Amino acid sequence: KNEVEQSPQNLTAQEGEFITINCSYSVGISALHWLQQHPGGGIVSLFMLSSGKKKHGRLIATINIQEKHSSLHITASHPRDSAVYICAVRYGKLIFGTGTRLQVFP
Amino acid sequence: EPEVTQTPSHQVTQMGQEVILRCVPISNHLYFYWYRQILGQKVEFLVSFYNNEISEKSEIFDDQFSVERPDGSNFTLKIRSTKLEDSAMYFCASSEPRGSRPQHFGDGTRLSIL
Repeated sequence: KNEVEQSPQNLTAQEGEFITINCSYSVGISALHWLQQHPGGGIVSLFMLSSGKKKHGRLIATINIQEKHSSLHITASHPRDSAVYICAVRYGKLIFGTGTRLQVFP
Repeated sequence: EPEVTQTPSHQVTQMGQEVILRCVPISNHLYFYWYRQILGQKVEFLVSFYNNEISEKSEIFDDQFSVERPDGSNFTLKIRSTKLEDSAMYFCASSEPRGSRPQHFGDGTRLSIL
């Protein structure tokens, strides 16, 4: 059974700060997803990665397959980044972490 | 950009009634999924669907649940004889047919069982 752990559970930041959210999983996977869930509940896929690093705007996602660990970084954070960030691993089906609630204050 | 659309956005149903949640996946996608998120909990996989049949289902997806692609565009989740514990947000997702591709999610249907 694959367990997905995220840290921290809650994160507050001042606008402009560099944010890091971590995800660890317990068994081998074929891919890892980072998702953003808005306050209204909708889910947006940010990244899917199976190795290395991906960048999209101010967001960067990295994965270390050997250590079974991924990080999501947000540079120059902004209040509109406030959301729940969810890590999900593909182990056949998608298995989701509990999410990290991020609040960015002006 | 194409989107996955779900209707209704909110469904209120009496316990014991049947409910059908509807999804229109992105048009060239061939893999379809339903997920559930009980309030305050993590998202859980329910079922995946490909080539007009279920490809995988979770232990949650028991005989109370069924999925169907009744035409070329809709993908539905039916819950028979709803229970209070079926109250949750239900998300539909779809992905392209080529290899391991990212899933695109709808905005969800909030199901409230009274």
